[in-house]
Amino acid sequence: EIVLTQSPGTLSLSPGEGATLSCRASQSVESTHLAWYQQKRGQAPRLLIYGASSRATGIPDRFSGSGSGTDFSLIIRRLEPEDFAVYYCQQHVTFPFTFGPGTKVDIK
Amino acid sequence: EVQLAQSGAEVKKPGESLRISCQGSGYIFTTHWITWVRQMPGKGLEWMGRIDPSHSYINYNPSFQGHVTMSVDKSISTAYLQWNSLKASDTAMYYCARFVYDVLTGQYYHYMDVWGNGTTVTVSS
Repeated sequence: EIVLTQSPGTLSLSPGEGATLSCRASQSVESTHLAWYQQKRGQAPRLLIYGASSRATGIPDRFSGSGSGTDFSLIIRRLEPEDFAVYYCQQHVTFPFTFGPGTKVDIK
Repeated sequence: EVQLAQSGAEVKKPGESLRISCQGSGYIFTTHWITWVRQMPGKGLEWMGRIDPSHSYINYNPSFQGHVTMSVDKSISTAYLQWNSLKASDTAMYYCARFVYDVLTGQYYHYMDVWGNGTTVTVSS
């Protein structure tokens, strides 16, 4: 099983600041098989990024993804109030598909 | 609009059985695998398994195999997640979601582009 580790666990930032979230895999993951999701309190997760760097439909361009191999990043430029949420990475290269434990981005 | 509509919240006792549902609309139900994701209170997301609505092929996460059963009724575009004997540790939110199918390439991708709103399952004596 591929274990995904996300850091930091919590990121306390102010609106307008930038955020860099990390996702590290225990084995190499093809970049086409790494996705990011956003989950706001009380809501279902929402797909943000697929293929490590492609934005899903309707996702603002302040969200971007990068990385390859075992190290991936989600970058949020200029945080908006609606961006304060929990972010999960997910690999879908091998069974069982796994999620990282999440990074919470909260308001400072 | 593409949607996955999940059944309502359930409160059950340990040992009882339960089936929750997830109905797809706005797309061809049989072209996209359905997956189930568990989220225990205050915790992260756990992938439970997937089912092919067209042929009912199923792959379970070994962590869940033997405790839950996935099924589908394609005639009504509905997927199900079932327990025969619930435990208190099954208390969680359960989401269904759709895996991506690229109609241009015929390729399947196992990230989730559409999610249901979740079904809360509470198991308590």
